[in-house]
Amino acid sequence: GAGVSQTPSNKVTEKGKYVELRCDPISGHTALYWYRQSLGQGPEFLIYFQGTGAADDSGLPNDRFFAVRPEGSVSTLKIQRTERGDSAVYLCASSLTISGHSYNEQFFGPGTRLTVL
Amino acid sequence: QKEVEQNSGPLSVPEGAIASLNCTYSDRGSQSFFWYRQYSGKSPELIMFIYSNGDKEDGRFTAQLNKASQYVSLLIRDSQPSDSATYLCAVNNMNRDDKIIFGKGTRLHILP
Repeated sequence: GAGVSQTPSNKVTEKGKYVELRCDPISGHTALYWYRQSLGQGPEFLIYFQGTGAADDSGLPNDRFFAVRPEGSVSTLKIQRTERGDSAVYLCASSLTISGHSYNEQFFGPGTRLTVL
Repeated sequence: QKEVEQNSGPLSVPEGAIASLNCTYSDRGSQSFFWYRQYSGKSPELIMFIYSNGDKEDGRFTAQLNKASQYVSLLIRDSQPSDSATYLCAVNNMNRDDKIIFGKGTRLHILP
């Protein structure tokens, strides 16, 4: 597709369940970012992939959160033992990282709205 | 101190007037500065970026950067009702990492 896609668009789950959120970046984009956005807040950085490896996972709030990008394209954010506080919109973005450039525009997907009951 | 600070608003501006949105940041090593627009229920979209001191103009939008004061602003001339949205300021220090740090955003409401 032309843009970043995310599935599902909405996910409702019960406390304690496991969820997977998927991101399909723009074809050819090497960098992929996950953010979490709560109501009235800006996007909060979670993790960044450059290719297949997690270049920076310092934003993951705890060990219940994990993300993979096994083939350097699609990424899955995994949340174990979900808690009500995990409810938010999870945004994915991708960019065409060019070595040496100080600016790389991030293109955002539509997000997945996660609700933990 | 938060890394990127914005007044949450709402900022109400009459149609046709200039809307001025402000942002301060704490990391003096920040090099790249972005303004994103986010409509309610939608994802952010980039409208301006700047990384040199001074002004950068693009159509009705002007970004202003003052690194000495650690201040970046966005001016919207001839404001239209369609400009009503939340405006997110974001900064990056590529010497530190590849993260873009977002502010909470300022809600802008253009009064018809």
